[in-house]
Amino acid sequence: GESVGLHLPTLSVQEGDNSIINCAYSNSASDYFIWYKQESGKGPQFIIDIRSNMDKRQGQRVTVLLNKTVKHLSLQIAATQPGDSAVYFCAESGGYNKLIFGAGTRLAVHP
Amino acid sequence: GAVVSQHPSWVICKSGTSVKIECRSLDFQATTMFWYRQFPKQSLMLMATSNEGSKATYEQGVEKDKFLINHASLTLSTLTVTSAHPEDSSFYICSAKSGSRTDTQYFGPGTRLTVL
Repeated sequence: GESVGLHLPTLSVQEGDNSIINCAYSNSASDYFIWYKQESGKGPQFIIDIRSNMDKRQGQRVTVLLNKTVKHLSLQIAATQPGDSAVYFCAESGGYNKLIFGAGTRLAVHP
Repeated sequence: GAVVSQHPSWVICKSGTSVKIECRSLDFQATTMFWYRQFPKQSLMLMATSNEGSKATYEQGVEKDKFLINHASLTLSTLTVTSAHPEDSSFYICSAKSGSRTDTQYFGPGTRLTVL
């Protein structure tokens, strides 16, 4: 089913540290996963995606890890910067052309 | 590339009136567009999926007569909130994609609707 969070968990990190944001997805049949970044008052921005035939995918300063055994997805951000402060959502797609979004995690980067 | 725009970015209306929100894919043809609703500090809730030239598919619990969706072309979808009430106040976000199911969805900047 869909995930709706009333209280966003917050991850606080120091500037320059690495950040790890976790996500548990619900549908074992999902085969496509995406991480989005959403800044206040804006629409979600695509960060990185991964298909279920992969365990890891790297982008610029970001890495997504997929563990299908425990239905877990993580986003690693290297050398976190103040501009990375935002809410991060994972999303899964298992068919019917639509995405199911997770509850979201707020990342707060402190100088 | 892959830019999606929305208009207006914010709107204030009186109860009982109707409001139309436009979603446009600016540099690609969107075979499928999606409409989401987001309340403060919450995740995105899919309202409906629309394919160009066909009727929208609404998620369970979303009133199709209240939230009218039209996807008249490969670059434009509209959401009309009819007879708006204060509880319809929310952040409405569209997304668009082309091609296969696993193609990336690109999101618009959102429209903040406030119903007085």
